[in-house]
Amino acid sequence: GENVEQHPSTLSVQEGDSAVIKCTYSDSASNYFPWYKQELGKGPQLIIDIRSNVGEKKDQRIAVTLNKTAKHFSLHITETQPEDSAVYFCAASKGSARQLTFGSGTQLTVLP
Amino acid sequence: DAGVIQSPRHEVTEMGQEVTLRCKPISGHDYLFWYRQTMMRGLELLIYFNNNVPIDDSGMPEDRFSAKMPNASFSTLKIQPSEPRDSAVYFCASRDTGTSGDIQYFGAGTRLSVL
Repeated sequence: GENVEQHPSTLSVQEGDSAVIKCTYSDSASNYFPWYKQELGKGPQLIIDIRSNVGEKKDQRIAVTLNKTAKHFSLHITETQPEDSAVYFCAASKGSARQLTFGSGTQLTVLP
Repeated sequence: DAGVIQSPRHEVTEMGQEVTLRCKPISGHDYLFWYRQTMMRGLELLIYFNNNVPIDDSGMPEDRFSAKMPNASFSTLKIQPSEPRDSAVYFCASRDTGTSGDIQYFGAGTRLSVL
């Protein structure tokens, strides 16, 4: 089955700096890659996603890049703010059901 | 819509007891997923339904776990008998292949503690 590896497990940045989280996947058939943000005591919430026919997608301060050949994708957050502090999960999926295989998560802390 | 609603938010029980977790998906969504989150194993898919029919339960850890979806607006995840290693946060998520496409919407989760 699919295996998703995520790095780093923890990341601290100064407010205003950029943060980058990287994931690799094993199944070349995977074609949908969402990123979720999970705040303490809450369920994961989608922040951005990308499909395999696209190399990059941007939404304001958040961007995701995908390299299908290398089977890795990354989340980029620019101009970080304290409210960006949370756990971020990458995931991969394929097929019509879109069942997700998650990475292990990254605890992002934005220091004021 | 109020989103995916899970109950209870917290459940504390003793080993050997039966536990039932409940989920109300977003109205009109045709897929429902149950996930479990632990420090050791992260977020893992247990089972999912399409139009109330269980499609893949390969993630269900043992026969002690069972899930049902009697109608489009309600699903349960039952553990009988419960064990301390079942302690985790259980999430329900739903998805609408029609309007929202690939996006899964998660509930706030049920934190289960088995003593």
